Amino acid sequence: NAGVTQTPKFQVLKTGQSMTLQCAQDMNHNSMYWYRQDPGMGLRLIYYSASEGTTDKGEVPNGYNVSRLNKREFSLRLESAAPSQTSVYFCASILRVRTESYEQYFGPGTRLTVT
Amino acid sequence: KQEVTQIPAALSVPEGENLVLNCSFTDSAIYNLQWFRQDPGKGLTSLLLIQSSQREQTSGRLNASLDKSSGRSTLYIAASQPGDSATYLCAVRKYSGGGADGLTFGKGTHLIIQP
Repeated sequence: NAGVTQTPKFQVLKTGQSMTLQCAQDMNHNSMYWYRQDPGMGLRLIYYSASEGTTDKGEVPNGYNVSRLNKREFSLRLESAAPSQTSVYFCASILRVRTESYEQYFGPGTRLTVT
Repeated sequence: KQEVTQIPAALSVPEGENLVLNCSFTDSAIYNLQWFRQDPGKGLTSLLLIQSSQREQTSGRLNASLDKSSGRSTLYIAASQPGDSATYLCAVRKYSGGGADGLTFGKGTHLIIQP
């Protein structure tokens, strides 16, 4: 049981390049999320997927696209990277255990630098 | 728009002290509140989850309280140890029925426990 895994761990891009951040969970969780973490800003929600086949925008979706490939995988794509997208990206998932109970797990993060 | 504030931003105390971290949020229509721990360069580890109907949760030396009507939560750490040094993040999930919406995070309290 690997939990939530993210690849790559580190990435350097030039302005205008594209890339896809991969996330997978092996806990059979329904909902998955992408956050970014910037110094002084805390974590902010980019996109989420409440269930397989659905995606919704979060607080800061501009410049990103997502794909919920199947129940396990949720990818984040930067079509044309900008320096403002330099950040640490975290993938997360939750399982609704009971009506008022969730288990939430975060991946180890991807450190992205755009020059 | 929900805003989450954590005070203090940083705290340094000698080993063995009891301490309190504060979290406030502007919209009381929350589903639950979570406290996380983040070690440098690492992902987030969930410490405590409090449902909106609950007043407190305890895990070992940690106790978290929630006063939803006043928009406040506290994390109490008893008998602090150097291993408690980390950044502590408070996050709230808004009430939306389905419960799959993302979390809104505070900026964290950076805690250092001096040996």
